[in-house]
Parts: sequence; C-alpha cells; structure tokens
Amino acid sequence: NAGVTQTPKFQVLKTGQSMTLQCAQDMNHEYMSWYRQDPGMGLRLIHYSVGAGITDQGEVPNGYNVSRSTTEDFPLRLLSAAPSQTSVYFCASTSAGSNNSPLHFGNGTRLTVT
Amino acid sequence: SQQGEEDPQALSIQEGENATMNCSYKTSINNLQWYRQNSGRGLVHLILIRSNEREKHSGRLRVTLDTSKKSSSLLITASRAADTASYFCATDAKGNTPLVFGKGTRLSVIA
Repeated sequence: NAGVTQTPKFQVLKTGQSMTLQCAQDMNHEYMSWYRQDPGMGLRLIHYSVGAGITDQGEVPNGYNVSRSTTEDFPLRLLSAAPSQTSVYFCASTSAGSNNSPLHFGNGTRLTVT
Repeated sequence: SQQGEEDPQALSIQEGENATMNCSYKTSINNLQWYRQNSGRGLVHLILIRSNEREKHSGRLRVTLDTSKKSSSLLITASRAADTASYFCATDAKGNTPLVFGKGTRLSVIA
C-alpha cells in the first residue's frame, strides 16, 4: 500500500492564481483531513471529511475549498492564492473518527505564494 | 486555537539520556495521541492513550496521562540520534471532533 499520497511536493504560485493540491489514500479510510503547518504555529485544521459526499470546516477554512466525491480522494483547492497561504500542507486519513484511531499523514506539499 | 501545548519548545540532550516532553490541554478529552515528525516529512503516530488510562508503554516510549491536571508526558528512554525530530501531542477538544495538535517540541539528540 502507498498510504497517503500528496502531489505536488513543491509548488510556487503568484498571488491570485488558483490550484488544487491532490491527496489520495489506498487504505479505504472514511475520514480524511487537511492541515497546514506554519513555523511556530503547529498544525491547524483546514477542512475534513467523514466520508464521501460529506465535508466540514476546520479552524482555518477561509480561502480553501474541498470536495469528496470518492473515498480515495480529497483535493484541496486554493481559489485565489495569497501570500498568507504560504505554508506546508498535510493530508491525513484514518479508518474511524480521528479521535479513536491514529491519523496517517502524507509527506506534505510545500507551497510558496509570491 | 491549539488545544494542546507542548513544553519545552526545544530540548537538546546527549545520546543515551532520557528525554521528557509535556503536553497540557484545556478541555475534557476522550483520547490523547503523540506523533513524531522528522524534518521534511509527515507526522507519524507513536501512541494513543485513552482518558481512562494513566500510563502506556511502547518500546522505549512511556506516556502518562493525568486528566485531573489536564496534562500528559512523553518519555523517551536511552535516546538515539535517530530520535531527533519534532514531537506533537493531539487531542479531541470535545467528543468526536477532529484532532487538534499542539505546536510541538523539537528534540535534538547529539551523538
């Protein structure tokens, strides 16, 4: 199993551009989530999904959209990139509610917005 | 806002010594989890301790939980250079909400 796969690994955007960060898992996990990691801030939850067709907002959802059309994929869309969205983005999944079982993380996408 | 806060922010020890990191949280929890992050990588789950447990072991790791003080500690015994990483605690703020992570402790183990 590949686990959680994130693409791309690195991305540079100009302010105002849009893009989609991809996340796929092959473990048949119902729960998937997106976090951003900034220096000195730890990980902050952006959006999460408890199953296909269901998404919800986390702590810092503004500027990001998600959808969950399949169990395997959970893309994160930046509608109009801003320098404040420069960060490392992590996708994570688990088989049940995240508080009952470990999260499996991808290796991250490092995004720079100029 | 962070539910858990790790202490210290950074820790530097010699190989073979023990490393202790602490986590404090604010509200009642179901479980508390500890994760490790090597530089440039995603987080890796280390151990989960339930609110009705007081201590848990996994290899060289020992985790304690004191729900009356709303705190947990992670002890790594006989540390190795490969233990150099950031360590995070994560809690569910209330019931079945998603995990909330602290800011982490950066551990450096010097050979």
